[in-house]
Amino acid sequence: EVQLVQSGAEVKKPGESLKISCKGSGYSFTTYWIGWVRQMPGKGLEWMGIIYPGDSDTRYSPSFQGQVTISADKSISTAYLQWSSLKASDTAMYYCARLGVQGVIAHDWGQGTLVTVSS
Amino acid sequence: DIQMTQSPSSLSASVGDRVSITCRASQGISNYLAWYQQKPGKVPKLLIYAASTLQSGVPSRFSGSGSGTDFTLTISSLQPEDVATYYCQKYNSAPWTFGQGTKVEIK
Repeated sequence: EVQLVQSGAEVKKPGESLKISCKGSGYSFTTYWIGWVRQMPGKGLEWMGIIYPGDSDTRYSPSFQGQVTISADKSISTAYLQWSSLKASDTAMYYCARLGVQGVIAHDWGQGTLVTVSS
Repeated sequence: DIQMTQSPSSLSASVGDRVSITCRASQGISNYLAWYQQKPGKVPKLLIYAASTLQSGVPSRFSGSGSGTDFTLTISSLQPEDVATYYCQKYNSAPWTFGQGTKVEIK
């Protein structure tokens, strides 16, 4: 069974850094792209970017380029999403998802990580 | 960038009704279109990809159609467990934009 287990909820202050994680199991972690999706409170879904853990090839949506960093450690089957300086507008639920072979389609989802940024 | 516009933004229908949601792309995307369901407070779930291919385990009352710029998600007989927000998403090229969502409620 494919499982994506994300790290727990975070409460941070503006300007702080943060790295959240997504651990994959039940499949070959290095041969499927993983993506990150943002959902701001009461709003819709937004793709942030994707990474191929096999070689760390990473693609960002234009809106998120330079705002976040996506990485992966294939030795522990874990993908990461990180911020160097959080803003209040980063408050959101963040989902990781395993993509299908057909393209950027989220076939399997993590449970989500709620990030709250508040002074 | 290609925009994805869903209509309606919300709808209310009776149990057993046939419900249709439309997704329109501002430029042609062939059949590179997926549909997701997100129940209140839950994680999104993939329903359909390639415009009309039903994901394994999804009830057959869900179907998708369309190609190019106009797509439709149809629920043939609405059930109480179908209360959710539905999103379309294009994946022909980056950015992989979602529609704004359609909230489906029971009348």
